[in-house]
Amino acid sequence: RKEVEQDPGPFNVPEGATVAFNCTYSNSASQSFFWYRQDCRKEPKLLMSVYSSGNEDGRFTAQLNRASQYISLLIRDSKLSDSATYLCVVNKGYGGATNKLIFGTGTLLAVQP
Amino acid sequence: DADVTQTPRNRITKTGKRIMLECSQTKGHDRMYWYRQDPGLGLRLIYYSFDVKDINKGEISDGYSVSRQAQAKFSLSLESAIPNQTALYFCATSDFGLAGERSGELFFGEGSRLTVL
Repeated sequence: RKEVEQDPGPFNVPEGATVAFNCTYSNSASQSFFWYRQDCRKEPKLLMSVYSSGNEDGRFTAQLNRASQYISLLIRDSKLSDSATYLCVVNKGYGGATNKLIFGTGTLLAVQP
Repeated sequence: DADVTQTPRNRITKTGKRIMLECSQTKGHDRMYWYRQDPGLGLRLIYYSFDVKDINKGEISDGYSVSRQAQAKFSLSLESAIPNQTALYFCATSDFGLAGERSGELFFGEGSRLTVL
């Protein structure tokens, strides 16, 4: 079983739609959680951290369920520019252990006009 | 200009050749990393360095070596390239001592696409 699992998609949605991605992780001791965005043939970039209480950044909402060991990302009012691969990332280390990041394989989102 | 620069961006080579991928950064970060990305496997850590005198193996270090020449420079070498090392390679940096919600913030270079024939 992979340490971080995501539905690879693709998710094909029309502009303006709401879309949700889920991610599950296997290590219950994981400390922190993130969503990265990767455009085609580009480098990954941090989209947002995922807080225990849930957090929102504009049209993006991230949720964490520690009991079920899953993370979600909700995108409202999808834009063409949201088309990208979304990577779920889990830090299974303690404190600032940036060498303990585990990357999911990503979920591809294609927003259609 | 990019804060994290990788060279070359694309390279095609033959089995058995020695290859070096170079990374330099202007972010002033102590921590640097080399990852490879393969379809269906995600990003996997090859080596990392928390400062100039510190080198550590990651998840998949076999067949690779690194050199941290300065705070700003971290190079990855394939001593004798083989076809299954064909991949997209990323260098990344992070700030020291971040915890909690910032403990996953890596800054990636634009990637080096390596093809080994």
